[in-house]
Amino acid sequence: GAVVSQHPSWVICKSGTSVKIECRSLDFQATTMFWYRQFPKQSLMLMATSNEGSKATYEQGVEKDKFLINHASLTLSTLTVTSAHPEDSSFYICSAYTQGSGNGYTFGSGTRLTVV
Amino acid sequence: QQPVQSPQAVILREGEDAVINCSSSKALYSVHWYRQKHGEAPVFLMILLKGGEQKGHEKISASFNEKKQQSSLYLTASQLSYSGTYFCGTERGNNAGNMLTFGGGTRLMVKP
Repeated sequence: GAVVSQHPSWVICKSGTSVKIECRSLDFQATTMFWYRQFPKQSLMLMATSNEGSKATYEQGVEKDKFLINHASLTLSTLTVTSAHPEDSSFYICSAYTQGSGNGYTFGSGTRLTVV
Repeated sequence: QQPVQSPQAVILREGEDAVINCSSSKALYSVHWYRQKHGEAPVFLMILLKGGEQKGHEKISASFNEKKQQSSLYLTASQLSYSGTYFCGTERGNNAGNMLTFGGGTRLMVKP
């Protein structure tokens, strides 16, 4: 089945630094990648939708200059949290739509970001 | 628009049944059900596309009502491994591949 590989699984960084999270589709081409953020005991909230070769579409309230998304190829999408602050600490998950698969959406394993 | 899930939490004894509901004020293209364990990514359970559809796998099943505005997830003879948070995800567009919007989640705890 379709697999989305997400790295790193967890990262601890200092306040003010930037962190890059990668999601790779291993056996299919991900034209569209969805990025979610999940705070403890809360639901997954969509942050942005990235399409290969074009600018990402951000949900209302998500700062596009802070959360940089790059989808340069059909198998790789990256999310960079710039100038991270403790309030950015969260669980970040990517998801790709896989046309023709049983479920349609394949999730990465998630990245737990802790900003200290 | 986020679908509404109920209940928010439920505690069961092993072997008991549970029902989790997911509803929307507008007709949906599809409903997806996921289970998430603490610290892990959501795991797909099933998708419903057609009004009136019912499907299941082993002792977990789901239904989608005729108007495609409500779905229910049925967990029968629950096992300890069923513990986790269940989310419904809905697509609003008229074709697949539109973003999934998740409900608030239902925390299920199965006790021995």
